[in-house]
Amino acid sequence: ILNVEQSPQSLHVQEGDSTNFTCSFPSSNFYALHWYRWETAKSPEALFVMTLNGDEKKKGRISATLNTKEGYSYLYIKGSQPEDSATYLCAFYSSNTGKLIFGQGTTLQVKP
Amino acid sequence: EPEVTQTPSHQVTQMGQEVILRCVPISNHLYFYWYRQILGQKVEFLVSFYNNEISEKSEIFDDQFSVERPDGSNFTLKIRSTKLEDSAMYFCASSESLAPYEQYFGPGTRLTVT
Repeated sequence: ILNVEQSPQSLHVQEGDSTNFTCSFPSSNFYALHWYRWETAKSPEALFVMTLNGDEKKKGRISATLNTKEGYSYLYIKGSQPEDSATYLCAFYSSNTGKLIFGQGTTLQVKP
Repeated sequence: EPEVTQTPSHQVTQMGQEVILRCVPISNHLYFYWYRQILGQKVEFLVSFYNNEISEKSEIFDDQFSVERPDGSNFTLKIRSTKLEDSAMYFCASSESLAPYEQYFGPGTRLTVT
């Protein structure tokens, strides 16, 4: 059974703090790793799709790294703002299943 | 910016009834998906659809479920005889191609089976 785990489950930080969370996934049959940002009552929104070991992607204050050999990805948020408050989902796409397997998400609350 | 839309936003139905959840994917996308999230659990893949055929389905997607693209724009999920455990948020998504292409999600339909 393919399993994707995210930690921590939730995180409360102050505005201006930098933070990071982890996504662990199977290291075999890797094809792609997706990160989504999901605000309450809105659609999950794609942040990054990562495919290569050692990939680093950046969008504004948010960046992500990928290690396919050991099966983990980190998402970093620099200088968190209240508008960063959301659930961050990662999803693993394996080359032999043809479907996205999601982690349970990390819920971030940024206090002003 | 193009977006995926879903209707209704909330559907309440009685056990045993049929429901149809509707989605309008982004117009130039070729791959379509349904996911669900039972409260407190992970988002789960149900089915993917390409070229008017199911391309992958999960073990959840049994004979009670079906998908259809009845015209050039809508993509529907039908549950024939709903059970209490079908209560969940159902998300539609679409993509230009398979992963590594990102999937664009709709806002979801909350299905409550009583």
